[in-house]
Amino acid sequence: QVQLVQSGAEVKKPGASVKVSCKASGYTFTSYYMHWVRQAPGQGLEWMGIINPSGGSTSYAQKLQGRVTMTRDTSTSTVYMELSSLRSEDTAVYYCARGAGEQLNNWFDPWGQGTLVTVSS
Amino acid sequence: EIVMTQSPATLSVSPGERATLSCRASQSVSSNLAWYQQKPGQAPRLLIYGASTRATGIPARFSGSGSGTEFTLTISSLQSEDFAVYYCQQYNNWWTFGQGTKVEIK
Repeated sequence: QVQLVQSGAEVKKPGASVKVSCKASGYTFTSYYMHWVRQAPGQGLEWMGIINPSGGSTSYAQKLQGRVTMTRDTSTSTVYMELSSLRSEDTAVYYCARGAGEQLNNWFDPWGQGTLVTVSS
Repeated sequence: EIVMTQSPATLSVSPGERATLSCRASQSVSSNLAWYQQKPGQAPRLLIYGASTRATGIPARFSGSGSGTEFTLTISSLQSEDFAVYYCQQYNNWWTFGQGTKVEIK
């Protein structure tokens, strides 16, 4: 079955960077876009960006431009999300989520289990 | 950016009753609208896509309707496992989510 397994929780200091991984299995990795979504404590869902695992092209939410980088490793079917210059407002659960179809404009299914990133001095 | 607005923020419903959740888009998203359910400590789960198509394994008591800018998620007879937060998402022009509706036990 299609599965996305994310790396474990992280605690970082303000100004540091964090890199979260998402390992995919159960499907052809390069055939489906992958998204990252975050959720601050008690808040809603915020789309962060998208990566095409086939060629590695990316698009990011405007508010995160310059701080977020998404990459992939096709040899391990893993995508990564790195967020730099962390501040307290970046404390959130970070999810990877697969685009449901092979076209760009699609809903998300399935989702990874989430990775809690805590930014605290 | 397309803004998605959900109402109400909280819906108090008794088990067995019907729940109706609304989602409005700031501009037309055609039928490119999905609904997700999220329980505490869990990732969101897809319920509905294409505004009205149930995802695999989703019970028939969940139904979606609407197109353009107005959408509705209806849960016909609430079960204990349905008390959760529900999000709508448009995928017509990039991707944006509503702020969520919490369905709580009355």
